[in-house]
Amino acid sequence: AQSVSQHNHHVILSEAASLELGCNYSYGGTVNLFWYVQYPGQHLQLLLKYFSGDPLVKGIKGFEAEFIKSKFSFNLRKPSVQWSDTAEYFCAVNAHNAGNMLTFGGGTRLMVKP
Amino acid sequence: DGGITQSPKYLFRKEGQNVTLSCEQNLNHDAMYWYRQDPGQGLRLIYYSQIVNDFQKGDIAEGYSVSREKKESFPLTVTSAQKNPTAFYLCASSQGTFQPQHFGDGTRLSIL
Repeated sequence: AQSVSQHNHHVILSEAASLELGCNYSYGGTVNLFWYVQYPGQHLQLLLKYFSGDPLVKGIKGFEAEFIKSKFSFNLRKPSVQWSDTAEYFCAVNAHNAGNMLTFGGGTRLMVKP
Repeated sequence: DGGITQSPKYLFRKEGQNVTLSCEQNLNHDAMYWYRQDPGQGLRLIYYSQIVNDFQKGDIAEGYSVSREKKESFPLTVTSAQKNPTAFYLCASSQGTFQPQHFGDGTRLSIL
C-alpha cells in the first residue's frame, strides 16, 4: 500500500523567513501529487498539483513544489512566508494503479509569527 | 456558487446509536469521497464512489456504510460498530479519475 510521510508536524517561522515542508511517498509507479492547505476555520483547498511535465510546479499565493522522482519527494517551498500562511498543509499522492484513491500525509501545522 | 455542503456541522451520538452525515454537491462531479481527519494522522479514506450506485471501501471502512443513489448525494452512516467514532469527517468530490478533489467544511462528530 502506498504511504505518504510529512516529517515536520509543527513548524514555527517568523514573517519573511523561507519555508520548506518535506513530503515523501512510498509508491514506485506513476503518481499524481498534490499539496492541500487548510486555513483556520476553512475547508481544505488545493494549493498546487503535479501531473506530468516540468517537475517544478507553481501554485497559489507564491508557493511552489518540486517533484524529485529519484527521491520520491514533493517538497513544498515558499521564499518568504506571511502571517496569513498560518495553516495546516497536507501532501497527497494518487498512484495510478490505486484507482481514484488519494493518500494523505499526516499534515504539517505552520505557524507564522508576525 | 458551486460547492460541497456537509451537514450538520456538529453532531453528537449516544453509545450504540447510528448516525448519518449528509454530503451534497452541485459541481456535477462523478466521484465522491469520505475521509476521517484525526490530529496528527492526516486524512484517511473511508469510502469512495466513482459513479452512481457504485462505491468502494477505503482504508478504514469498518463500522461505516454509504450509499450513492443520486449523483449529487453521498451520505455516510457511522454505525454502532465503529468503536472510536469521535473525529472530524470530510466529504470531497472530483470531476474524474486523478483530478483534484474539492472538499466540504466537514462535520465534527462527538460521543456523549
